Parts: sequence; structure tokens; C-alpha cells
Amino acid sequence: DVKVTQSSRYLVKRTGEKVFLECVQDMDHENMFWYRQDPGLGLRLIYFSYDVKMKEKGDIPEGYSVSREKKERFSLILESASTNQTSMYLCASSPISPGQGRAEQYFGPGTRLTVT
Amino acid sequence: AQTVTQSQPEMSVQEAETVTLSCTYDTSESDYYLFWYKQPPSRQMILVIRQEAYKQQNATENRFSVNFQKAAKSFSLKISDSQLGDAAMYFCGIGGVGSQGNLIFGKGTKLSVKP
Repeated sequence: DVKVTQSSRYLVKRTGEKVFLECVQDMDHENMFWYRQDPGLGLRLIYFSYDVKMKEKGDIPEGYSVSREKKERFSLILESASTNQTSMYLCASSPISPGQGRAEQYFGPGTRLTVT
Repeated sequence: AQTVTQSQPEMSVQEAETVTLSCTYDTSESDYYLFWYKQPPSRQMILVIRQEAYKQQNATENRFSVNFQKAAKSFSLKISDSQLGDAAMYFCGIGGVGSQGNLIFGKGTKLSVKP
């Protein structure tokens, strides 16, 4: 079974802190994604990566950055956390290469981040 | 650009009965995939079913089936013999073959199952 793990299920941070959310997948997938999920808004794509050291902005990248130094690990960084970044963050991976948008995405359990 | 619309924020079904969740979409791509994902209260999203747009036959997975109407850009999910474990958020999604694996999701439908 594909496993996508996220470093924390629940996280509480203060405004202005730098926050790291970690995601690891164990199936050698090329693509990895970070979404945020908010009630009534569904899932919105923050950033994605289709290869090590490669990244692309999604629909809502403002206030976030990402890092992918190894194929299995994709980190989401909140440079200076703000209260409007309180949300559920979902990581996903998929086994495809660029230009082949067919594959299923496998999701991690999510990190519920609260910024106070 | 691709968009996905789920017009039913919440639905309810009696155990053992059938329920249909609606989804409409818009895309400019000629080749694409459609998905339904389920997110139970534990929060891990899993794929329920997917449909290749070039296939006319509707996809089925056990008690889950879709009604894919390509001309109408409609992709509804039917759950037969509903079970308590079907209670979850359901997200409809679309992925383009020309994309890099990006999916566009709808806002979700919360399904409750009454015993």
C-alpha cells in the first residue's frame, strides 16, 4: 500500500512563527502536492512538485513556500504564520511524469494547523 | 481552465438505500479524467472511483457507480445499499491529461447515513 505520512496531525503556532509541515511518501512517486482544506471551499492547491528541486505554484501560493530536496519528501513552509493560515493541510503524491495527468493522488492524513 | 461544481453541500440517506451525489464540471481539454474522492471523519482521503472521459461506459466499483454525461459535463456518483461507513465528505475532481497531475476539486458534499 502507498503510504503518505505527515509529520503532525495537530499543530498550534503563534503569529509570526516560521512553520514547517513535512510530508513523506514511500512509493517513489514523482509528483507531490500541498493543499489546504477549508469548510465550504474544498481543497485548494498551494504548491506542487514534479521532481526533486522543482516546484510550481498552485492556486493560492501567497504566504507559503516549499522545499523538495529528496524525492520522497516535500515540505511546506509558512515563512511568517498568520491567523488566516489556520486550516487543514493535506499532502498528496501521484506516480506520474509531467504531461500525463491521469494518475490517482494518494493523500496523507492531514495536519490541522492553528495559528493564534 | 477547469472548474468543478458540487451543488449539494449536504445530503442524507437511510441505511441500505441509494443516494446520488451531483457534480458538474467545465474544461477546455479534450482528454481528461474525472474522480470521486471520499474523506471519512478520520480525514484521510481515498479514491472511490474514476472515469476516463474517452470511455462511454460508466465506471463502477462495487456499490459505487457513476453516471457520466459528457455532453452535459455531468459526473454524478451513485451509492447503492448505503452503509454507515459511507458517511463522509465526497469530493468530485477533474484532471487533465496535459497537466502535471493537478486535480481540480469541487467544494464537497457531506453525506450522512441514518441507521
